[in-house]
Amino acid sequence: AQSVTQPDIHITVSEGASLELRCNYSYGATPYLFWYVQSPGQGLQLLLKYFSGDTLVQGIKGFEAEFKRSQSSFNLRKPSVHWSDAAEYFCAVGAPMTGNQFYFGTGTSLTVIP
Amino acid sequence: KAGVTQTPRYLIKTRGQQVTLSCSPISGHRSVSWYQQTPGQGLQFLFEYFSETQRNKGNFPGRFSGRQFSNSRSEMNVSTLELGDSALYLCASSLTLQGGYEQYFGPGTRLTVT
Repeated sequence: AQSVTQPDIHITVSEGASLELRCNYSYGATPYLFWYVQSPGQGLQLLLKYFSGDTLVQGIKGFEAEFKRSQSSFNLRKPSVHWSDAAEYFCAVGAPMTGNQFYFGTGTSLTVIP
Repeated sequence: KAGVTQTPRYLIKTRGQQVTLSCSPISGHRSVSWYQQTPGQGLQFLFEYFSETQRNKGNFPGRFSGRQFSNSRSEMNVSTLELGDSALYLCASSLTLQGGYEQYFGPGTRLTVT
């Protein structure tokens, strides 16, 4: 079965600093990989996705993520964080044979300090 | 195009009661999935419906059920509510059942069981 690990429960960065959120997955083949962001009291917004092809994917709001098969990782990055990026970030994995059943990591809470 | 809508947004119920939550997917989307989000367990997949049929089911007791109508709108029902059912219930819609398509989430229904 698939599983997702987000090792960092909480991260604090200064505005303007770079950001990397870690995500490791467990799956026997190449999964579908996603990053979602959730602001307080809101649903989840898709930042980016990886299905196949180029391992560096670009998303909305200046985010990007890199799929590394050898490390079973899909880390999210942003070169310069804005105060509005403060939120909860979730990595999710899906699989070709399981429809739209996603497995989510436990999330990383991002705090941005001025 | 309107996003995924969920009603009601907030709900307070008493232990032992039952509750019905509603989800309207994005126009043209035929797959609807439901997730439960709690601080302790994170995001957990409940079930997925496509063409009025349940296609995937997570590891939840039979008290949790759902259905989908011919217009793709979906409802989920929880009977004999327990305190532990207090959660944010998120609905997500996707174009098809095949996977490989992103899911779009609604704002959620916050259920509180007292």
